Amino acid sequence: EVQLVESGGVVVQPGGSLRLSCAASGFIFDDYAMHWVRQLPGKGLEWVSLITWDGGSTYYADSVRGRFTVSRDDGENSLYLQMNSLRAEDTALYFCAKDVSRYSSRWGLDYWGQGTLVTVSS
Amino acid sequence: DIQLTQSPSFLSASVGDRVTITCRASQGISSYLAWYQQKPGKAPKLLIYGASTLQSGVPSRFSGSGSGTEFALTISSLQPDDLATYYCQQLNTYPLAFGQGTKVDIK
Repeated sequence: EVQLVESGGVVVQPGGSLRLSCAASGFIFDDYAMHWVRQLPGKGLEWVSLITWDGGSTYYADSVRGRFTVSRDDGENSLYLQMNSLRAEDTALYFCAKDVSRYSSRWGLDYWGQGTLVTVSS
Repeated sequence: DIQLTQSPSFLSASVGDRVTITCRASQGISSYLAWYQQKPGKAPKLLIYGASTLQSGVPSRFSGSGSGTEFALTISSLQPDDLATYYCQQLNTYPLAFGQGTKVDIK
């Protein structure tokens, strides 16, 4: 059974930093691109970041580029999101998600975690 | 960046009705479009990928169509369990993007 479990969400002050983690199991983690998606309270979905299956490429939303860094540890079957210079508008539920297709990132996200809540507030 | 515009933003229909949600991309995205269903308090669920491929385990009353800039998600016979918000997502060009969502209510 595929499982994705996010952790690391807390209350942090504006300008602060945070690292989110996503523990994956039930599939060959090395073979799949992984995404971060967030949802502001009561709002729609916002794609945040992607790391390719081999870790060779990373992509970001304009709103987080230069502040957030995605990484993966295939030995630990884990995905990470380092979040720096946090702003109030980064307050959201952060989901990690798995791409549906091996060795690709063009088709969709078939498994999602339950999300971890990040609150940026003084 | 590519923008996705869904319409309508909200719809109310009766059980058994045929329902169509459209998603328009600001630039051509070939067939790299996915549809998701999100119920309150839950993570999104993949329904359709590649614009028209039904994800495993998804009921056949859901279907997707389109390519280029115009796409549609159709529910052939609306069921009470379909009460949810539906999102399209383009995966053709970075940064990826979601539509703003369509909330479906049951009359």
